[in-house]
Amino acid sequence: AQRVTQPEKLLSVFKGAPVELKCNYSYSGSPELFWYVQYSRQRLQLLLRHISRESIKGFTADLNKGETSFHLKKPFAQEEDSAMYYCALKVWGNTPLVFGKGTRLSVIA
Amino acid sequence: NAGVTQTPKFQVLKTGQSMTLQCAQDMNHEYMSWYRQDPGMGLRLIHYSVGAGITDQGEVPNGYNVSRSTTEDFPLRLLSAAPSQTSVYFCASTSSGVSYEQYFGPGTRLTVT
Repeated sequence: AQRVTQPEKLLSVFKGAPVELKCNYSYSGSPELFWYVQYSRQRLQLLLRHISRESIKGFTADLNKGETSFHLKKPFAQEEDSAMYYCALKVWGNTPLVFGKGTRLSVIA
Repeated sequence: NAGVTQTPKFQVLKTGQSMTLQCAQDMNHEYMSWYRQDPGMGLRLIHYSVGAGITDQGEVPNGYNVSRSTTEDFPLRLLSAAPSQTSVYFCASTSSGVSYEQYFGPGTRLTVT
């Protein structure tokens, strides 16, 4: 069965330090991976998707099919990056995303 | 465009009461879905719809009903509320094809006492 694993519930880093939020997936087909972000008391919003290969707000993520991973990285954390981050997997067609349990990122000044 | 809207924003129910959480989208998307968000559990899919008149169960459907009579609306019904249904509920609407993206509503915070 398809599954998304985010091993860290909470990640605390100092401002200016590098950030890596881990995401691993389990899916036998060809995956499409996404990162969503939820700022305090706001709705979830798309941060980036692997097929776009883009950098949003300084974040990047590379799909590694060999390691079944899609880790989210940023070289220098900012206080405004503090939020809940969810990794999500699209399995086929236009079906709803399968989400991981989320990682709360706290950037300390 | 308003995107995805949800009402109410907050609701307190007593055990055994029923209610309907409303969700509407103005993007003409065929696919819509309901998730619940609980601490440490992430987002779990309750029900989803692939178009008007078509719905299917997600990961945690028990205690919830849905219907889809129009493209725009996808209400979620709690038949007999239980404390275990205390959660934040998010509705999502999905654009299809190469521009696939799930757009989320602002959420409904439900407390069942």
